[in-house]
Amino acid sequence: KAGVTQTPRYLIKTRGQQVTLSCSPISGHRSVSWYQQTPGQGLQFLFEYFSETQRNKGNFPGRFSGRQFSNSRSEMNVSTLELGDSALYLCASRHEQGAPLHFGNGTRLTVT
Amino acid sequence: AQKITQTQPGMFVQEKEAVTLDCTYDTSDPSYGLFWYKQPSSGEMIFLIYQGSYDQQNATEGRYSLNFQKARKSANLVISASQLGDSAMYFCAMRDSGNTGKLIFGQGTTLQVKP
Repeated sequence: KAGVTQTPRYLIKTRGQQVTLSCSPISGHRSVSWYQQTPGQGLQFLFEYFSETQRNKGNFPGRFSGRQFSNSRSEMNVSTLELGDSALYLCASRHEQGAPLHFGNGTRLTVT
Repeated sequence: AQKITQTQPGMFVQEKEAVTLDCTYDTSDPSYGLFWYKQPSSGEMIFLIYQGSYDQQNATEGRYSLNFQKARKSANLVISASQLGDSAMYFCAMRDSGNTGKLIFGQGTTLQVKP
């Protein structure tokens, strides 16, 4: 079974631009969660989607948004990029409630 | 509020020896789950082991075991027979109440295995 796939692996953007990150969950997993990892703040939860509905949201500004498609694939969008948005963005999927999260390799975003 | 604390920023262990990575947690929810993940330099987070708050026995997965002491609110990871490939960052995490996909992570411990 293929794991969680995130694209692209690396991105370089300029302040003020917007970016879209993509995540394909493990086949059969309907829950997708997104996390931001930075050296200063560590791993922080962004949001979770289940069956195309946002089920939970972390404490991030509205510039961070996401969506999930009917095939469970998910996208995350960050608008009006700031330098502080530079981070590793990790996507995770899980099969059912209580099951462990399975993470992808992440997308490393650099904002200049 | 729920919190995970990992007090060891970095640790060294000799190859083939056992090592314990500390994790303490704080929650008022009687039902919770505790996870350990490994993050190599490549960036991916690899699930290692899970312990539910109502599990009677400590979880084990191959060379990984979890020393769960509920009264002390600790969930230490024990790696037996360390291998060079175990060198990585290790994160302890707690599932938020409500059984969602939200995990609260500790700051992590960097483990280096010496040959």
